[in-house]
Amino acid sequence: NAGVTQTPKFRVLKTGQSMTLLCAQDMNHEYMYWYRQDPGMGLRLIHYSVGEGTTAKGEVPDGYNVSRLKKQNFLLGLESAAPSQTSVYFCASSYSGYQETQYFGPGTRLLVL
Amino acid sequence: TQLLEQSPQFLSIQEGENLTVYCNSSSVFSSLQWYRQEPGEGPVLLVTVVTGGEVKKLKRLTFQFGDARKDSSLHITAAQPGDTGLYLCAGERAAGNKLTFGGGTRVLVKP
Repeated sequence: NAGVTQTPKFRVLKTGQSMTLLCAQDMNHEYMYWYRQDPGMGLRLIHYSVGEGTTAKGEVPDGYNVSRLKKQNFLLGLESAAPSQTSVYFCASSYSGYQETQYFGPGTRLLVL
Repeated sequence: TQLLEQSPQFLSIQEGENLTVYCNSSSVFSSLQWYRQEPGEGPVLLVTVVTGGEVKKLKRLTFQFGDARKDSSLHITAAQPGDTGLYLCAGERAAGNKLTFGGGTRVLVKP
């Protein structure tokens, strides 16, 4: 099993450009999450999904959109990138809710100039 | 202001020394998890504590959940260089597995 994979690993964008980050999991997990990690701030939840076709806002959703068309994939989109979105983005998945382990991908480092 | 405050933010110790990392909040959590993250990788779960006053041991690591379920601590005995990493606590307040993470404690164990 590959677990949770993320593409790309690293990307540089100019302000105003758009991009999509892809997260894939092969563990048949229902729940999937997108976080961003900034120095000294731990991980902050952007959006999450409790099943195929569902999405919900997390703590810092502004400037991001997500889609979960297939159970194994969770896409994070930036329509018009801003320097404040420079961060490391992590995707995670879990079997279900409540006291379940979240399994994280290796992260995508994004730099917005 | 973060919901979960971790202290200290950074800890540098010599191999063989003990260390304690704290995770505090004014909110009650139904469970609390500790993760360790190494450079260039995602966090990996170490332990989940769910009962107030609970103590769990994982080899040289001891985790404690406060009686009121508002705080937790991680104690490492005889630290080794392999313990180096970023330690994150994360609290769950309600069903649905939405975690709130602390800011992290970066631990450096020098040989």
